[in-house]
This record gives sequence, C-alpha cells and structure tokens, in this order.
Amino acid sequence: DTGVSQDPRHKITKRGQNVTFRCDPISEHNRLYWYRQTLGQGPEFLTYFQNEAQLEKSRLLSDRFSAERPKGSFSTLEIQRTEQGDSAMYLCASSWGDQPQHFGDGTRLSIL
Amino acid sequence: AQTVTQSQPEMSVQEAETVTLSCTYDTSESDYYLFWYKQPPSRQMILVIRQEAYKQQNATENRFSVNFQKAAKSFSLKISDSQLGDAAMYFCAYSGSGGSNYKLTFGKGTLLTVNP
Repeated sequence: DTGVSQDPRHKITKRGQNVTFRCDPISEHNRLYWYRQTLGQGPEFLTYFQNEAQLEKSRLLSDRFSAERPKGSFSTLEIQRTEQGDSAMYLCASSWGDQPQHFGDGTRLSIL
Repeated sequence: AQTVTQSQPEMSVQEAETVTLSCTYDTSESDYYLFWYKQPPSRQMILVIRQEAYKQQNATENRFSVNFQKAAKSFSLKISDSQLGDAAMYFCAYSGSGGSNYKLTFGKGTLLTVNP
C-alpha cells in the first residue's frame, strides 16, 4: 500500500492557462473522488468515479473542468481557462466499497 | 442536502489533558456514516475514527472516542491524554450509505492547538 499519490504538489499558472492534475489511487481501490479545499474551509466534493465510469459531478464542476479515469486506474482533473477563483487545494481520495476514503497530499493551485 | 456544522473554529488543550470537539449534522436519511478526519499543517488528511449510524455503540480508537447522539444529530470527538502530535485541523464529515457514492460532506473544521 503506497497510498494515494498526487502530482504536482504545487502548480502556479497565469490566469487563462489550462492545467492538469494527476491522481494515482491505491491500486485495489475501485472508487476515486476529487475534492476542492479553499483556505479556511473543509473540502467540497467535485466528482466521483467507480472504476472508469464518472457517476456524479457536483454543480461546482463548471464546464471548464473535466475529469477522466481511463481504464479505472489513475485519474486526471483538467481546468481550462483558469480563473482567480480556481485557486485552491485539489484533493484526491480513493476507497474500496464502503470503506473509508484515503486521501492524497493534494495539489495546490495558485493563479497569478 | 446534508450539512455538517462545527461550531468551534479553534480549540486548545494542555498536553496530557482531554479535549472534546463538537459536530452537528443534518440529514433525512436513517443510515449513514460519520467521520473525524485530521489534517496536520501541509500534510494529508488522515482518518481518525468512523461511526456507522446503525450502531448504538460509540466508536473508539485508542485515545480517540466519539459521543454519537443520533436523535440529536450530534457527533463529538474526545481526545484523551492529548499529545503534541495531535495538533491539527480536525474535520467532521458525513457520507450516506445507500447507492455507490460515498462522497463526503465536511464541516469547516476545528483547529486544535496542544500546549506543552
């Protein structure tokens, strides 16, 4: 069990640029979640995958956001045309069945 | 929609003492899970303890225990014999137990300081 891995740890970009984050879940976990955490707040749910199927998206996930999980393994979260309000920590978590979620270290996005 | 409320933005405790963090939630479901997660500064979110709503017995995990009051929709965390390493942001969280999506709804967190 190597834990949930996220890359990069920190991303700095200019407003209007596209960014992509990667999450590698624990290998036997079939469920994968993305959350967003802004300063002083708890994480908020963005989207959920069961294997390769994206089964739920939060209304927080505007059309500039897209997530994939090809072959039910790693997942990517892409933000197009970044805005100042996208600055946050993006957390990935994985789980098996109804077992508790394990979180990665997160990717901190800073928009200049 | 489910909501989770943590009314204590900050708490402090002396090393070796006991502290209780409060959490209330709102749901119309009868079966669900409740969690306490710990997030040390610049480190990953770690599960502290989980409670299944259908279980009347309060969950315990070493120095950590909960007081689950289902009718009152209250779920507090008690940390006994506090240690310096317990200093962190603590989040209370809720997930449903039906279907396949166990997404978490978090409170805003309580920042715990442990004084030597």
